[in-house]
Amino acid sequence: DIVLTQYPGTLSSSPGERVTLACRASESLSGNFVAWYQLSPGQAPRLLIYAASRRAAGVPDKFSGSGSGTDFTLTIARLEPEDFAVYYCQHYGGSPLFTFGQGTKVDVK
Amino acid sequence: LQMQESGPGLVKPSETLSVTCSVAGASIGSISSYWGWIRQSPGKGLEWVGSVFYNGSTYSNPSLKRRVTISRDLSKNHFSLNLHSVTVADTAVYFCAGDQYSSSWWVSWGQGTLVTVSS
Repeated sequence: DIVLTQYPGTLSSSPGERVTLACRASESLSGNFVAWYQLSPGQAPRLLIYAASRRAAGVPDKFSGSGSGTDFTLTIARLEPEDFAVYYCQHYGGSPLFTFGQGTKVDVK
Repeated sequence: LQMQESGPGLVKPSETLSVTCSVAGASIGSISSYWGWIRQSPGKGLEWVGSVFYNGSTYSNPSLKRRVTISRDLSKNHFSLNLHSVTVADTAVYFCAGDQYSSSWWVSWGQGTLVTVSS
């Protein structure tokens, strides 16, 4: 089974800062099937990035994704109050069909 | 596209957990559409439970040991999850999610419904 490991587990930052979240796979992945989500308390999860680097509809350009092989990243260019949330990477393919990382929590320093 | 889960809130151990997702703004039978269930146990991350394609084909997470049944009602435009023989470990927020065009990621999500397994 593919395992996705996200780090750090918690990232403490301040509004206006730039942060980079990492997602490492246990084996090489096709980047075409890597996505990132944002989970905020009391809200529906939100797709941010798909195919490793494409922004979903309505997602501001402060969010960007990159990576290939086993290493993928999500960067938030300038943190705003609504960006303090938990972020998950996800891969499609293999067994199980969908695998999620354990999440990175971005909280206020 | 809007999605809304509904469920019992509380289920007893060994019984069947049933949750339904009502979809508005798209037909769950439209070609290429893909729908599914993802859950989040308290204090834990996201876990894919199972999915149903527009043609009725279903897939589920092997870790759930064949306890998953996913069905759909095209006339009501909703799909349902039945998780059999539940234990306290199945306590979670159950999200429904889906998309009209992609089967590789989850574009639209419901708010989630908390189901607690307890006697």
